[in-house]
Amino acid sequence: DIRMTQSPSSLSASVGDRVTITCRASQSISNFLNWYQQKPGKAPKLLIYAASTLERGVPLRFSGSGSGTDFSLTISSLQLEDFATYYCQQSYSAPPALTFGGGTKVEIK
Amino acid sequence: EVQLVQSGAEVKKPGESLKISCKGSGYTFSSHWIGWVRQMPGKGLEWMGIIYAGDSETRYRPSFKGQVTISADKSISTVYLQWSSLKASDTAMYYCARVRGITLLRGRDPSLYYVMDVWGQGTTVTVSS
Repeated sequence: DIRMTQSPSSLSASVGDRVTITCRASQSISNFLNWYQQKPGKAPKLLIYAASTLERGVPLRFSGSGSGTDFSLTISSLQLEDFATYYCQQSYSAPPALTFGGGTKVEIK
Repeated sequence: EVQLVQSGAEVKKPGESLKISCKGSGYTFSSHWIGWVRQMPGKGLEWMGIIYAGDSETRYRPSFKGQVTISADKSISTVYLQWSSLKASDTAMYYCARVRGITLLRGRDPSLYYVMDVWGQGTTVTVSS
């Protein structure tokens, strides 16, 4: 079972800040890594797949990078609507396994 | 519009059975996997299992195998998640999500990337005596 570990578990930032969230896989997953955003009371939303490919409609301030075991999600200039929880997900062993990381909550400073 | 619509909130007692549903529309339902994801109160996302709507091939995360049953009725574009005997620890929000396969080139070779690209609105299950 591939385990996904995110850090930090939470962070405080201001509008306009550059924010980076990291995700580490317990074994190499090449670039089979997705990122999701979840706002309170809402279903998750796909942001990025294949580690760095933006889903259609996702703002360009979001970017992803990494390969192997270490990945990151960067928000270049944090906007009010970006305050949410972000999850990474590996798809290397899919189907079926689509394991999520523990999440990173981005809060307003 | 591609969408998944889930059944409404449920309040049950321990030991009761339950079946919740997820109905797809706006796409070829039988050509995709559908996954179920649990989110316990205040916690993160856990994938539980997936089912291929075309032939009902089902795969479970080991920790959920034997605890829940995933099934599908492609004639009505609906996937189900059911419990035979609920526990208080089953209290959670349950999401269904379409699993889409995307082919991208990695170097010269194509690779298939799976994403959960369309999500249901979630079904809250509360189990309490």
